[in-house]
Amino acid sequence: EAQVTQNPRYLITVTGKKLTVTCSQNMNHEYMSWYRQDPGLGLRQIYYSMNVEVTDKGDVPEGYKVSRKEKRNFPLILESPSPNQTSLYFCASSKTGTGRSYEQYFGPGTRLTVT
Amino acid sequence: GENVEQHPSTLSVQEGDSAVIKCTYSDSASNYFPWYKQELGKGPQLIIDIRSNVGEKKDQRIAVTLNKTAKHFSLHITETQPEDSAVYFCAASRDNFGNEKLTFGTGTRLTIIP
Repeated sequence: EAQVTQNPRYLITVTGKKLTVTCSQNMNHEYMSWYRQDPGLGLRQIYYSMNVEVTDKGDVPEGYKVSRKEKRNFPLILESPSPNQTSLYFCASSKTGTGRSYEQYFGPGTRLTVT
Repeated sequence: GENVEQHPSTLSVQEGDSAVIKCTYSDSASNYFPWYKQELGKGPQLIIDIRSNVGEKKDQRIAVTLNKTAKHFSLHITETQPEDSAVYFCAASRDNFGNEKLTFGTGTRLTIIP
């Protein structure tokens, strides 16, 4: 089954304790992205990756890191989480092509609470 | 950058009636407009999309219209059913912009009243 998986699905942590949210896709997609979803704000892009070893900032990158060492994986790293990073996080992937956008497939989400 | 506004934020309709959600965008270079449905506890899922070279697209009970001049697009759901209850997001992006980034609206919570 074609899918994007994220782990963990729920996480409660304390300020300053480093954490990683994993994302993996089995569709051989080049493009992967992280979004955060907050009430009244919709989904905002954190980081994206056009392919292996190619990453770039989205709209709200502060406090986050990413890496893309393998095509299928795109982990999101919070080196020193703060309460304002409490949010619902989604990983997404899509194929890429010249001259058109493709459907983005979203993972099930990771609900993060930082106390 | 692109800014997408979405209205209404909540919408309740009787089962069988139609529902309309409207979005406006700011970047005249945007040319791809998808709509996503998010059910409780799940990630958004694409339900329909439209490109700027098309004014309307329909898929069974769902249709999307686009007015490029006015920079707005709308989702129309006819003969609504209980399973249509969800949060709907509109989005906009540029094809081949180098970042397949979607700029999302703030979402509409649609409730179908049986």
